[in-house]
Amino acid sequence: EMLLVESGGGLIQPGGSLRLSCVASGLSVNSNYVTWVRQAPGKGLEWVSVIYTGDNTYHADSVKGRFSISRDNAKNTVYLQMNSLRVEDTAVYYCASGIGFYDYWGQGTLVTVSS
Amino acid sequence: ELVMTQSPATLSVSPGERATLSCRATQRISSNLAWYQQKPGQAPRLLIYGGSTRASGIPVRFSGSGYGTDFTLTISSLQSEDLAVYYCQQYNSWPLTLGGGTKVEI
Repeated sequence: EMLLVESGGGLIQPGGSLRLSCVASGLSVNSNYVTWVRQAPGKGLEWVSVIYTGDNTYHADSVKGRFSISRDNAKNTVYLQMNSLRVEDTAVYYCASGIGFYDYWGQGTLVTVSS
Repeated sequence: ELVMTQSPATLSVSPGERATLSCRATQRISSNLAWYQQKPGQAPRLLIYGGSTRASGIPVRFSGSGYGTDFTLTISSLQSEDLAVYYCQQYNSWPLTLGGGTKVEI
């Protein structure tokens, strides 16, 4: 069974940093595209970042320069390092796996940026 | 950035009726389009990819069509469990982008 489990969310002040983790089982993060998608309260889905073959990464303009994505193949885990957090980064962050389209999703972790 | 626009924002349909949801891209995206269903409090679920291919386990009442810039998701006979928000997503070019969603009300 394919399973993705996110963790690391919480309450953080503006300007702070947080690292989210996405642990995969039943699939290898080394050979799959793994992405982060977020959803602000009461809003739609927003694609954030992706890591794919050859350690290639891509980020949405809204997080470029502040967020980075990486993976640890030994732990079968993908990370989202979020720096210089803003109030507008408040959202549930989902990790998902697939190639372009995403057929496996975690249940999400809530990040709240507030003073 | 490629923008995806969904219409209508809200769709009210009676059980057993057909629901038709639209998605339009600002640039041609071939058939590189996916549809997702998100029920309240849940993660999104993949319904359709490649514009028209149903994902594993998706009921046949869900169908997708379209190519280029205009796409449609059809629910042939709406069931009560289909109450959800539906999103389209293009994966033709970076950054990946999603539509604003269509809320289907029963």
